[in-house]
Parts: sequence; C-alpha cells; structure tokens
Amino acid sequence: DADVTQTPRNRITKTGKRIMLECSQTKGHDRMYWYRQDPGLGLRLIYYSFDVKDINKGEISDGYSVSRQAQAKFSLSLESAIPNQTALYFCATSGGLGIDTQYFGPGTRLTVL
Amino acid sequence: KQEVTQIPAALSVPEGENLVLNCSFTDSAIYNLQWFRQDPGKGLTSLLLIQSSQREQTSGRLNASLDKSSGRSTLYIAASQPGDSATYLCAVFRGSEKLVFGKGTKLTVNP
Repeated sequence: DADVTQTPRNRITKTGKRIMLECSQTKGHDRMYWYRQDPGLGLRLIYYSFDVKDINKGEISDGYSVSRQAQAKFSLSLESAIPNQTALYFCATSGGLGIDTQYFGPGTRLTVL
Repeated sequence: KQEVTQIPAALSVPEGENLVLNCSFTDSAIYNLQWFRQDPGKGLTSLLLIQSSQREQTSGRLNASLDKSSGRSTLYIAASQPGDSATYLCAVFRGSEKLVFGKGTKLTVNP
C-alpha cells in the first residue's frame, strides 16, 4: 500500500463549487504539505503543517484553506473554485527538521470549468 | 527570494549515453538540495538528497553534486536507459521548511 494517498485522483467541478481534497499518510510523519503544479510554473507551496496544532501559509494560499484532522490526515479545501485553480495538486510528508526528504502522494488532477 | 533554474528544459539522448542535468539556485543559504523524478500522471519520487555540508551523493547509476558557493548542482546519469525517461526536478530546502522547485528537465532516452 502507498505511504501517502490522495483522494480523489481526478475531479472535475464547476466555478463556485466548494471542494475538498484529502491526503492520508501511514509514514508516521508530523509534517505535511500541499503543493500545486502548473505547466511552466513548477510546484508551488500552498500550505504546510508541522503538527496537528500548527498550520502555515505557503506562497499561494489565497483561495485555499486546510484542515489537519489528525497526524495522518491533511485536507485542502477550495471554498469557491475558479478556473485558474485548475492544476495538479500534491500532498507530501516529511519527518525531519528540514533535513529529511519529502514523500509525495500520487496527485489529484483538478479541473474547474 | 530563492529561485531555482534547471537547464535544459528538455533533453533527448540515445540509450547508453551518459548525461548531466543542471540545476542552479540564487541563494546559497540552503539546508539541502534534492533531486526528484516525476513520471507522467504520477507523483514525485525522491532520488537523492544532499545535505548542505556534503558535496555529492550516489545511488546506483545516479550521482548528484552540490557546490553551494556557486549555487549549482548537477545530476549525472550513467549508461542511460529508456526507463530513465521522466521529468527530473531539483528542489532546495530553505530555512523556513519550504522546498523551492525548479521547473524540471524532461528527459527522453531513445532505444
């Protein structure tokens, strides 16, 4: 079984809809991250969490919110989806103090019409 | 602001060739540098992680070097194979727990 799982893997939604992307991990890591990947722009950090009580904004957090329900679960929400949020979204985890590698989930392809 | 650049953006080589992928970064104050591989429709797989105090790391046919003073890293792939075809991403860890990624090099190894 994969260490980092994301659901759904693909999602098509309409402008203005609220959607949630979910991430679960079995690695026992405290640190979890949400990134988005756009062609020509690379991966950019949306939010990150060092533990259940710690949530931090990344470089592109506007229009997104997150919830850390447990050590193993980190959800990303789009309150009112817009077309320029169409992208590939990745969840990642790490266990170290900035010196450990990050382990990525398989990604969620989101299309906002 | 840390910026990471990868050159070339795309590379096509015949099978068996040795090749080098380049990564440069603007701020040398990094904790580590990582190389990832991304296959189409899939997530990222960590290949090598080099701590800021290290000069290189090796794993099988892969060797990554780091020169902090010049803000450069290279990923050397020996005896390339068609299965090496993927996009290779370089990322640096800044002090704020954030990975900053380059845009990647898309590698195609032709049989």
